[in-house]
Amino acid sequence: DSGVTQTPKHLITATGQRVTLRCSPRSGDLSVYWYQQSLDQGLQFLIQYYNGEERAKGNILERFSAQQFPDLHSELNLSSLELGDSALYFCASSVGLAFENTGELFFGEGSRLTVL
Amino acid sequence: AQSVTQLDSQVPVFEEAPVELRCNYSSSVSVYLFWYVQYPNQGLQLLLKYLSGSTLVESINGFEAEFNKSQTSFHLRKPSVHISDTAEYFCAVSPNSGYSTLTFGKGTMLLVSP
Repeated sequence: DSGVTQTPKHLITATGQRVTLRCSPRSGDLSVYWYQQSLDQGLQFLIQYYNGEERAKGNILERFSAQQFPDLHSELNLSSLELGDSALYFCASSVGLAFENTGELFFGEGSRLTVL
Repeated sequence: AQSVTQLDSQVPVFEEAPVELRCNYSSSVSVYLFWYVQYPNQGLQLLLKYLSGSTLVESINGFEAEFNKSQTSFHLRKPSVHISDTAEYFCAVSPNSGYSTLTFGKGTMLLVSP
């Protein structure tokens, strides 16, 4: 158990809909990362938050948004869903911004999104 | 920007045979290197990492990887694999300063059969 909790584990929805994925980081971790894993694209970095502020942005579509709340949990909002958005969405957390001290991301088990 | 190439999408081996999973990276800055493992229906777990110091790093379950700066490689090896090593293995790179975002390779599925 990594200590990172993601809900829901599975989600099935229709095209055009909107969903919210939730992540609770490990106790004490200030950074939260979102990754998308699909068969064709592999693991793609979407966005990183640190202590409530956006710190880095990857290949995140404009239809997607995220935020980190004061209690450090994070939500990833996916809207106007398309078939191609079907993927496994991972949340990960780390203590700080840089890897010098920890060198590790802790991953949740993922939220599997199926868009029909 | 960084990129990671894992040349093999799948590596089938027999139990107790040696294995090498290849990883090459590209970066304009100095990097940290990682191998993560993903067992079926689970999230990724750190297997081993290179931050600094000795270029040969080892995991607790017998895997090792060597950082080769001149060849920009970080290949993962195990002298004798077990059935339980069947999993997907991801190589990842991060710049060694600034914000810590990991760039992953596409993964290599290690299939160990009896």
